[in-house]
Amino acid sequence: QSVLTQPPSVSGAPGQRVTISCTGSSSNIGAGYDVHWYQQLPGTAPKLLIYGNINRPSGVPDRFSGSKSGTSASLAITGLQAEDEADYYCQSYDSSLSGWVFGGGTKLTVL
Amino acid sequence: EVQLVESGGGLVQPGRSLRLSCAASGFTFNDYAMHWVRQAPGKGLEWVSGISWNSDSIDYADSVKGRFTISRDNAKNSLYLQMNSLRGEDTALYYCAADEDTALTGVSWFDPWGQGTLVTVSS
Repeated sequence: QSVLTQPPSVSGAPGQRVTISCTGSSSNIGAGYDVHWYQQLPGTAPKLLIYGNINRPSGVPDRFSGSKSGTSASLAITGLQAEDEADYYCQSYDSSLSGWVFGGGTKLTVL
Repeated sequence: EVQLVESGGGLVQPGRSLRLSCAASGFTFNDYAMHWVRQAPGKGLEWVSGISWNSDSIDYADSVKGRFTISRDNAKNSLYLQMNSLRGEDTALYYCAADEDTALTGVSWFDPWGQGTLVTVSS
């Protein structure tokens, strides 16, 4: 059971918009800790996708965007492309655990 | 090119030890805190341990506390994870990752990541 809760899977057709939620609690996201998102393509290492809730590293398309509100955060992907098919993870820090925490991951399928 | 390369994984019997290494290149290693993150086969990511730039601050996940020891050698641009009393549930791909901060503040993210080294604990 992950500290941050994500839906196990989401799907969408090419060109569509999907969102992935990440729900935490008052000891992590709700405590003000930033949320970061990673994309893990099949057979590869995770790659930073969004940092500091809303920021994109250089090279990440603006089709990817992040938001945060209260004890939750979301990753939105617009204009879905086949190459977006991957696992997505949210990450934050938990003050009760005194450690970094990840969501359980969401598998995105492009139909 | 910024790069992290892990090594040292392998098949080990329960109760035995293993030492993982992570070699950094392409960036100023001692400007960053570092972490180990693992991923069990077919499962999600789990943070294992972190160490500040000067080794003054170290944290562990409860699941490995007392069994694993993280360390670094800035002169060699290297990060290590000494794993003792290994259990079946420690079987995973172990990634090293750089923190965007020098200290373990909890506010930053992991970037870049290495390609991982596989640890299999089985008799």
